[in-house]
Amino acid sequence: DIQMTQSPASLSASLGETVTIECLASEDIYSNLAWYQQKPGKSPHLLIYYANSLNDGVPSRFSGSGSGTQYSLKINSLQSEDVSIYFCQQNYDSPLTFGGGTKLELK
Amino acid sequence: EVKLVESGGGLVQPGRSLKLSCAASGFSFNDYWMGWVRQAPGKGLEWIGEINQDSSTINYTPSLKDKFTISRDNAQNTLYLQMSKLGSEDTAIYYCAREGNGLDYWGQGVMVTVSS
Repeated sequence: DIQMTQSPASLSASLGETVTIECLASEDIYSNLAWYQQKPGKSPHLLIYYANSLNDGVPSRFSGSGSGTQYSLKINSLQSEDVSIYFCQQNYDSPLTFGGGTKLELK
Repeated sequence: EVKLVESGGGLVQPGRSLKLSCAASGFSFNDYWMGWVRQAPGKGLEWIGEINQDSSTINYTPSLKDKFTISRDNAQNTLYLQMSKLGSEDTAIYYCAREGNGLDYWGQGVMVTVSS
């Protein structure tokens, strides 16, 4: 199975700040990586697919990058509504696996 | 509007079975792979498995392969998850999801509690 290591596990940032979340795959996943946002008590929501493609309706302050085994999600100009848990997922090979999640809070 | 609505959850005793359903609408169900994901209370997301359009390919996470069975009925636009030999470790919210570019639509989730 491909292991996804996500960091940090938690993050505290101020409004307007830029934050970055990292995801490391145990092998090359050829950009087959998605990022999800989960707000408290809600279902996850797809933000980014194929490492850097923004899903419809997702604000442009979200961006994804990376290749090979290393990927990142960047949120520019942090807004209060961005307080969530963020998960990465590789969809290169079955079983599709998620990272452990990053809890983003406001400072 | 794409909608996925799970049902069939609830309280079940250890060792028993339960079957979840996911009713899909707003898109051509038989054009998409579909999957199940679960989330134990306060924990992260765990991918359970997926099924292709004509049910000819079904993939599972290895630890659940002998307990869970995914199926679909394209005529009824419904995805299923049959769960057997349930234990406390299976207590979770269970989500169905459409596999487009990533898991692009999710249901609201259904809670399954395994307890005597």
